Amino acid sequence: GDSVTQMEGPVTLSEEAFLTINCTYTATGYPSLFWYVQYPGEGLQLLLKATKADDKGSNKGFEATYRKETTSFHLEKGSVQVSDSAVYFCALSDRGGYQKVTFGTGTKLQVIP
Amino acid sequence: NAGVTQTPKFQVLKTGQSMTLQCAQDMNHNSMYWYRQDPGMGLRLIYYSASEGTTDKGEVPNGYNVSRLNKREFSLRLESAAPSQTSVYFCASSEVLGDTQYFGPGTRLTVL
Repeated sequence: GDSVTQMEGPVTLSEEAFLTINCTYTATGYPSLFWYVQYPGEGLQLLLKATKADDKGSNKGFEATYRKETTSFHLEKGSVQVSDSAVYFCALSDRGGYQKVTFGTGTKLQVIP
Repeated sequence: NAGVTQTPKFQVLKTGQSMTLQCAQDMNHNSMYWYRQDPGMGLRLIYYSASEGTTDKGEVPNGYNVSRLNKREFSLRLESAAPSQTSVYFCASSEVLGDTQYFGPGTRLTVL
């Protein structure tokens, strides 16, 4: 079945550091890929998405590129801020079948001043 | 627009009690979902409704029932609560299945 694997957290970075959170997936067909962010005490919200191979999703300085050859969708940001501290979830939507969304287990990011 | 709203925000139950978690969305979305979030487990789908009038089981449906009351509302019922159901419950909606999901703020449930 479909699966999403994210790097284990927590990830602790200093402000202005470069961020990479790795995400790889297993799916049949051609899924859509998502990154969601969850701030403390809140529900998840979409950060960015990509719907086909080589698409790059971007938002708020975050970027991720849909790499079909490596089945990856790594999240990057050039300079993190304290306000980026949150839990980040990679997810896929299988466009075949009943289009279930599969979430990774989440990676907690803590940015220190 | 309020987006997705959930009530209550917090709830404490004793083992064996029942309760219903309410969810409503004002985005005219067709699909709605119930998830539970436990530490280290990510999000697990309990039930979903692809469209008004339909409901289907997700990964962890045991101990739960749902009702898609109308296009806006999707409720989750625990008939006889157990400590293993202590969790944070999220409702979400999307325009169609598999599309971007919009989440409510969550209900923090403790079963003693």
